[in-house]
Amino acid sequence: EVQMVESGGGLVQPGGSLRLSCAASGFSFSSYWMTWIRQAPGKGLEWVANIRQDGNEIHYVDSVKGRFTISRDNAKNSLFLQMNSLRAEDTAVYYCAGDHKGTFDPWGQGTLVTVSS
Amino acid sequence: EIVLTQSPGTLSLSPGERATLSCRASQSVGSNLAWYQQKPGQAPRLLTSGASSRAIGIPDRFSGSGSGTDFTLTISRLEPEDFAVYYCQQFGSSPRTFGQGTKVEIK
Repeated sequence: EVQMVESGGGLVQPGGSLRLSCAASGFSFSSYWMTWIRQAPGKGLEWVANIRQDGNEIHYVDSVKGRFTISRDNAKNSLFLQMNSLRAEDTAVYYCAGDHKGTFDPWGQGTLVTVSS
Repeated sequence: EIVLTQSPGTLSLSPGERATLSCRASQSVGSNLAWYQQKPGQAPRLLTSGASSRAIGIPDRFSGSGSGTDFTLTISRLEPEDFAVYYCQQFGSSPRTFGQGTKVEIK
């Protein structure tokens, strides 16, 4: 069974940091580009960042460049998102997803990040 | 950045009816468009990719069409489980972007 489980979300003050993790199983993780997508409460979907299979090509949406870092550990079938200098507008459910030639599948269930004082 | 505009915002239909959802891109994305379904409290699910190819396990009542800037998702006969929010997403250029969503609700 394909499964993606995110963790690491929570409440953080503006300017703070969080590290999200995504544990994948049931598919060939090391063969996929991987991506993070977020969804603010009651809003639509926003692609955040993606990373190539070997970790040597990475892309970010402009709004998180210089603040967020995506990484992966293929030996542990895990994806990460280090989020620094968090802002209120980063409040969202963060999903990890497989990135197959630009389409996103499978998805995790998401982890909620709330940035508030 | 390519902007995707979905219409209508909300579609009120009865089970058994046909649903037609539209997605228009601010510039051509070729056939590089996908559709997703999202139910409350759940992650999105891929329905179609490449404008018209259904993902594995997706019923054939879902069909995508279009190219360039105009795309359509059609649900031929709505089942109770189809009432949800639907998003289009382009992967023709970076950054990948999503439409704002169309909610299909029970009339």
